Amino acid sequence: DTAVSQTPKYLVTQMGNDKSIKCEQNLGHDTMYWYKQDSKKFLKIMFSYNNKELIINETVPNRFSPKSPDKAHLNLHINSLELGDSAVYFCASSQPTGISKQGTEKLFFGSGTQLSVL
Amino acid sequence: GQNIDQPTEMTATEGAIVQINCTYQTSGFNGLFWYQQHAGEAPTFLSYNVLDGLEEKGRFSSFLSRSKGYSYLLLKELQMKDSASYLCAVYNFNKFYFGSGTKLNVKP
Repeated sequence: DTAVSQTPKYLVTQMGNDKSIKCEQNLGHDTMYWYKQDSKKFLKIMFSYNNKELIINETVPNRFSPKSPDKAHLNLHINSLELGDSAVYFCASSQPTGISKQGTEKLFFGSGTQLSVL
Repeated sequence: GQNIDQPTEMTATEGAIVQINCTYQTSGFNGLFWYQQHAGEAPTFLSYNVLDGLEEKGRFSSFLSRSKGYSYLLLKELQMKDSASYLCAVYNFNKFYFGSGTKLNVKP
């Protein structure tokens, strides 16, 4: 069974459209994340949810709206897509303890969604 | 702000040893993680350090010096399958801050 699964794998769309990416984890983790990886392979955190509550929002445009119906799911909806939104979006989950003790806080990533805005 | 630096790209020969460095300046620190990412795939966890010193896991070792804001990942007996990007990440209270990654090319 896949630990963190996200769909779709590829998403090609026109500028101005609205699209969603879904993510689910079966690890029982309390915290889920969305990361954006640009063409230079830089992974940047966008959002983090802990038990369905938003705890991190890293100055992401409000065209991006995450939704967590329960702690196993974190979806990402993007309105009015722009060319600059083209990137790979990774969902991830972890079980943070605040201070790393045994590396149990490590992130488990989904397989990524390659978004191409034309 | 958070600043994490790694070399962009390195090349090494199969069977050799390679060291990938990472320096960081962050407003907080609760651990340093290394991830491996093959092209077109998700990052996967390799190792972590929270205390100073060397952690060894098979062919991979990672070192940390908190006073110097410095870590390295050591890969021994390189194999072709080790060709990938290696990402250094600082963990700070529920946040992981990633460097831009080092692309390692292993040649025969």
